[in-house]
Amino acid sequence: GQNIDQPTEMTATEGAIVQINCTYQTSGFNGLFWYQQHAGEAPTFLSYNVLDGLEEKGRFSSFLSRSKGYSYLLLKELQMKDSASYLCAVRDLTSGTYKYIFGTGTRLKVLA
Amino acid sequence: EAQVTQNPRYLITVTGKKLTVTCSQNMNHEYMSWYRQDPGLGLRQIYYSMNVEVTDKGDVPEGYKVSRKEKRNFPLILESPSPNQTSLYFCASSGTASSYNSPLHFGNGTRLTVT
Repeated sequence: GQNIDQPTEMTATEGAIVQINCTYQTSGFNGLFWYQQHAGEAPTFLSYNVLDGLEEKGRFSSFLSRSKGYSYLLLKELQMKDSASYLCAVRDLTSGTYKYIFGTGTRLKVLA
Repeated sequence: EAQVTQNPRYLITVTGKKLTVTCSQNMNHEYMSWYRQDPGLGLRQIYYSMNVEVTDKGDVPEGYKVSRKEKRNFPLILESPSPNQTSLYFCASSGTASSYNSPLHFGNGTRLTVT
């Protein structure tokens, strides 16, 4: 079946580094996405991985290991505005059709 | 500005009264989809469309209908809404085969309450 797991909540301090993990199971893996979502707002795209390794974008980095079904999002130099939910999503390509499967999200609280 | 526009933002209705939530994108995306988001359950896919006149059921299609007569529009129809359809709904679009790393772009959401 298809399944995505990520922690429900995490807390970190302003200026620190936090790593949000995501494990997934899917039969037709075609890429992994990370989104940020502030309460009541639409998810916004952060990063994309389809090959193994690390992708870096400013304060945000994302890592993928396809053999382990594992990804993480790394946030550096945390700011108060980083308090949000972080959604891990896998794109599954089966029989020529795409489906995006989302985890339930990790709510990150950044404390002063 | 590239965007996904969905309307209305807020909607309160009564059980059984048919409603339509509109979704339009101006990015010439082939792929469009609808999600509902409920506390503790995350984003769940209702329906998706790979291109015009092609639609498929997602994980929670019961009680919903969609149509894709034009590339830019993908309305969500609730023929007879029930209280368990009270939720936050998002429309999203992305490119497909020719732009494999194209992420989903989301509309601003529609908060629906069915009493």
